[in-house]
Amino acid sequence: GENVEQHPSTLSVQEGDSAVIKCTYSDSASNYFPWYKQELGKRPQLIIDIRSNVGEKKDQRIAVTLNKTAKHFSLHITETQPEDSAVYFCAARGGSYIPTFGRGTSLIVHP
Amino acid sequence: DGGITQSPKYLFRKEGQNVTLSCEQNLNHDAMYWYRQDPGQGLRLIYYSQIVNDFQKGDIAEGYSVSREKKESFPLTVTSAQKNPTAFYLCASSSPPTGWNTEAFFGQGTRLTVV
Repeated sequence: GENVEQHPSTLSVQEGDSAVIKCTYSDSASNYFPWYKQELGKRPQLIIDIRSNVGEKKDQRIAVTLNKTAKHFSLHITETQPEDSAVYFCAARGGSYIPTFGRGTSLIVHP
Repeated sequence: DGGITQSPKYLFRKEGQNVTLSCEQNLNHDAMYWYRQDPGQGLRLIYYSQIVNDFQKGDIAEGYSVSREKKESFPLTVTSAQKNPTAFYLCASSSPPTGWNTEAFFGQGTRLTVV
């Protein structure tokens, strides 16, 4: 089955800095890579996703890149704000259709 | 409102008891999932169902059971065989892949505590 590794487990930045979270996956059949943000005690919510036919996608301060050859994808947040503080999960879906999640990254943005 | 609803939000279980967590969706999704979330462990798959009256074990199914009698509902029972049930439980649903996969939608979660 699919295996998703996510790093780092904790990321601490100053407000205004950029944050990068990286994930790798194992199943070459995976074709969909969503990123979820989970605030404390709440449900994970989709913030951005990318499909395997594109290499990069941007939405305001958030971007995701995908390298199919290396089987890794990354989340980039620019100009971080305190409200960006949360746990971020990457996921991969492919041949088995079941979303497999990384272990999560706790992002802390210091004012 | 379209969405996926879990109940209750908080649940307390005594040792040796079975408890059932509810998950209902009105998104007309075929696939539904149960995940367990522990600190530092991410989201671990307990059970999943692709279609009514069919479900499959995930990575940590021991001590849990499910049913899928209706498309809208996928309840999870935490049995007394689950030795460490205290956790945050998340239900999710998605449409089946049709060429391209799509996002999973999550319920708001149930926090289960053994007392």
